[in-house]
Amino acid sequence: DTEVTQTPKHLVMGMTNKKSLKCEQHMGHRAMYWYKQKAKKPPELMFVYSYEKLSINESVPSRFSPECPNSSLLNLHLHALQPEDSALYLCASSQELAGGLGNEQFFGPGTRLTVL
Amino acid sequence: AQSVAQPEDQVNVAEGNPLTVKCTYSVSGNPYLFWYVQYPNRGLQFLLKYITGDNLVKGSYGFEAEFNKSQTSFHLKKPSALVSDSALYFCAVRDRADTGRRALTFGSGTRLQVQP
Repeated sequence: DTEVTQTPKHLVMGMTNKKSLKCEQHMGHRAMYWYKQKAKKPPELMFVYSYEKLSINESVPSRFSPECPNSSLLNLHLHALQPEDSALYLCASSQELAGGLGNEQFFGPGTRLTVL
Repeated sequence: AQSVAQPEDQVNVAEGNPLTVKCTYSVSGNPYLFWYVQYPNRGLQFLLKYITGDNLVKGSYGFEAEFNKSQTSFHLKKPSALVSDSALYFCAVRDRADTGRRALTFGSGTRLQVQP
């Protein structure tokens, strides 16, 4: 299984809602990532988990809260978002981070988030 | 610091003709270099990477890229373009020496349009 899955595919939420994005991989990868991508722009790194521990937080606002419950799952909890947070949210995974800078990342199809 | 530049927002090529998508990079040490492709409303798909060894790297779907250290370039090429190659292409770099960061830096992307 060489696939990263993400649910839901689309999400519309109000600024007072709480929602979660989910990501799953069964490739045995120990590094997992959240990216935000605006239309026609490159992905922007948000968070990196390595062995279920938060390794990188790219100064992301606290209204985004990541969670890695186990080595296969990655969640992104959303609360009190702003309309400018509307974007495609991509999850990715790769083999272990340490000593593995040359490992490619495998991306999921993304969740298209719209904040009203 | 690491950075990557894709100087062309869009490349147009006729089906059957060779294509080139340009990428130049800047790192303090030696690079790991990657190419990804993104189809509309989809995640990124890995095409190929340069780690070490041969400067000509072959990847998926008939794509190849040539690493040129003196010109700090990693251009993506294909001998004969297909209409189905039309997509958004991203070059990405990691600096081998920047072990603290451990994250990819993406270029701004190049839209490839292959005309029938």
